[in-house]
Amino acid sequence: EAGVAQSPRYKIIEKRQSVAFWCNPISGHATLYWYQQILGQGPKLLIQFQNNGVVDDSQLPKDRFSAERLKGVDSTLKIQPAKLEDSAVYLCASSLGPDRGRYEQYFGPGTRLTVT
Amino acid sequence: GESVGLHLPTLSVQEGDNSIINCAYSNSASDYFIWYKQESGKGPQFIIDIRSNMDKRQGQRVTVLLNKTVKHLSLQIAATQPGDSAVYFCAENGGGFKTIFGAGTRLFVKA
Repeated sequence: EAGVAQSPRYKIIEKRQSVAFWCNPISGHATLYWYQQILGQGPKLLIQFQNNGVVDDSQLPKDRFSAERLKGVDSTLKIQPAKLEDSAVYLCASSLGPDRGRYEQYFGPGTRLTVT
Repeated sequence: GESVGLHLPTLSVQEGDNSIINCAYSNSASDYFIWYKQESGKGPQFIIDIRSNMDKRQGQRVTVLLNKTVKHLSLQIAATQPGDSAVYFCAENGGGFKTIFGAGTRLFVKA
């Protein structure tokens, strides 16, 4: 079974530039998550989708971050404009979801973003 | 507010010994707990989970214990190996949607 795919793996941009990350979850997983992980910390949930609807985006800085999950499969996370404090690893995860009573999440390798 | 934390930020054990990683949670309504392992440069990997109606669950070389009275969770790794060196996160789920991760404990295994 293929895992969660993410691209790019690494990205370096200057502050005020824009960047987009892509995620392809495990086939059949209804729930998709985007996390921000700052070095030395645990993942922080940015946004969670159930199929193509948002169920939690309370910690997403909506003035600069946006995310979508077209057709309930792939997802993109965008930052515009980036700030220095956005430097982190952005993790995508998926799970079968509460409808199936399964909450364990499967993570992709992450995208390491450096904002200079 | 809700929080999941770890008592020890780092743990160093001798290869072959047993490891115990602890975690405290504060949301008494949480009904599902998960341990993840994160190796350098990789995303977290699911290890084992436990529901609130259980006190103990065993996997391959790992055991999770849940004490709801004191809101404490632990991960026990038997016969720790060098490949177990990683950061371990506990996470809690409060019913359906939101999973909260703790800060993590780094496990060092000495050969």
